[in-house]
Amino acid sequence: EVQLLESGGGLVQPGGSLRLSCAASGFTFSNHGMSWVRQAPGKGLEWVSTITSGGSTSYADSMKGRFTISRDNSKNTLYVQMNSLGAEDTAVYYCAKDVQGACDSWGQGTLVTISS
Amino acid sequence: AIRMTQSPSSFSGSTGDRVTITCRASQGISSYLAWYQQKPGKAPKLLIYGASTLQSGVPSRFSGSGSGTDFTLTISCLQSEDFATYYCQQYYSYPRTFGQGTKVEIK
Repeated sequence: EVQLLESGGGLVQPGGSLRLSCAASGFTFSNHGMSWVRQAPGKGLEWVSTITSGGSTSYADSMKGRFTISRDNSKNTLYVQMNSLGAEDTAVYYCAKDVQGACDSWGQGTLVTISS
Repeated sequence: AIRMTQSPSSFSGSTGDRVTITCRASQGISSYLAWYQQKPGKAPKLLIYGASTLQSGVPSRFSGSGSGTDFTLTISCLQSEDFATYYCQQYYSYPRTFGQGTKVEIK
């Protein structure tokens, strides 16, 4: 059974940084692209970033230069480093496993709150 | 970025209704379209990918069609567990983009 477990969320002051992690199990992690998707309170889904199995990365325009996605295949873990955080980054952040570009498995999400 | 526009934004229906949700892309995306279902407080669930391929375990009352710029998700016979919000997403090009969502509510 595929399991994705996010961690690292919490309350951060504006301008601060945070690193989220996603521990994966139940599949061959290194063979799959992985994505981060977020959802602000009461809003829709917003794609954040994707890292392919080969390590290529892509970002939403509003996260370019601030967010860095990475993966450690030896630890079956996905990361996203988030810098220069603002109130607009407040959201539940989900990690998801890619299958042919769609996200077929999702974690339960971790809440990031940006507030002073 | 490719803009994805869903309609309607909300739908009030009854058990047994047939529901059709449309998703329009601002440019052609071939069949690189997925549909997700999300219930309150839960993670999204993949229903359909490749515009029309049903994800394993998803009931056959769900179906998807379309290619290019116009797509539809159909629920043939609405069940109580189908009341949720539905999102389309294109993965033809980066940045990947979602539609704004369609909330299916109980009438």
